[in-house]
Amino acid sequence: ILNVEQSPQSLHVQEGDSTNFTCSFPSSNFYALHWYRWETAKSPEALFVMTLNGDEKKKGRISATLNTKEGYSYLYIKGSQPEDSATYLCAFLYGNKLVFGAGTILRVKS
Amino acid sequence: EAGVAQSPRYKIIEKRQSVAFWCNPISGHATLYWYQQILGQGPKLLIQFQNNGVVDDSQLPKDRFSAERLKGVDSTLKIQPAKLEDSAVYLCASSGGGAAWGDTQYFGPGTRLTVL
Repeated sequence: ILNVEQSPQSLHVQEGDSTNFTCSFPSSNFYALHWYRWETAKSPEALFVMTLNGDEKKKGRISATLNTKEGYSYLYIKGSQPEDSATYLCAFLYGNKLVFGAGTILRVKS
Repeated sequence: EAGVAQSPRYKIIEKRQSVAFWCNPISGHATLYWYQQILGQGPKLLIQFQNNGVVDDSQLPKDRFSAERLKGVDSTLKIQPAKLEDSAVYLCASSGGGAAWGDTQYFGPGTRLTVL
């Protein structure tokens, strides 16, 4: 059974704090890793698709890094804002399907 | 560009009843996916269509779930009869190419199903 693990399960931070989450995946047969943000009552939104070891991607205050040799990706949010409150999902491309982690729930308090 | 549309947004049924969900993908997207997301878990792929053909339905409980993609555009997912454990959010997504190409998948808002 393929396991994609995300930690922590949930996180509560104050506005302005920087934070990071981890996604762990199998280090063999790597093709791609996706990150999504899912706000309550909205559609999951694609953040990044990462394919190369050492990849670093950035979108505004959110950035992600990828280490395929050791099987992990970090997602960073700099200066968290209340609108960053959401569930952050990573998904590992396995064959022709995405296998999702359970997500990290982020709550940013103003 | 219009996003992925799904309906209904919420549905409450009793066990053993039937239910159907509808999805309209982004125009021109060849690949359509249905996911089931149970509370506390990540979305799980139920079925993937490429145009109107099935690419992967290995995790679809075929004794009670069925799906079709009419003319390679809209899709419906049906559960008959529903069980308590089917309570979940059902997400539809679409992409221009197949998942194997690593294409970004665009999701609809989901249908939250509660089975009593």
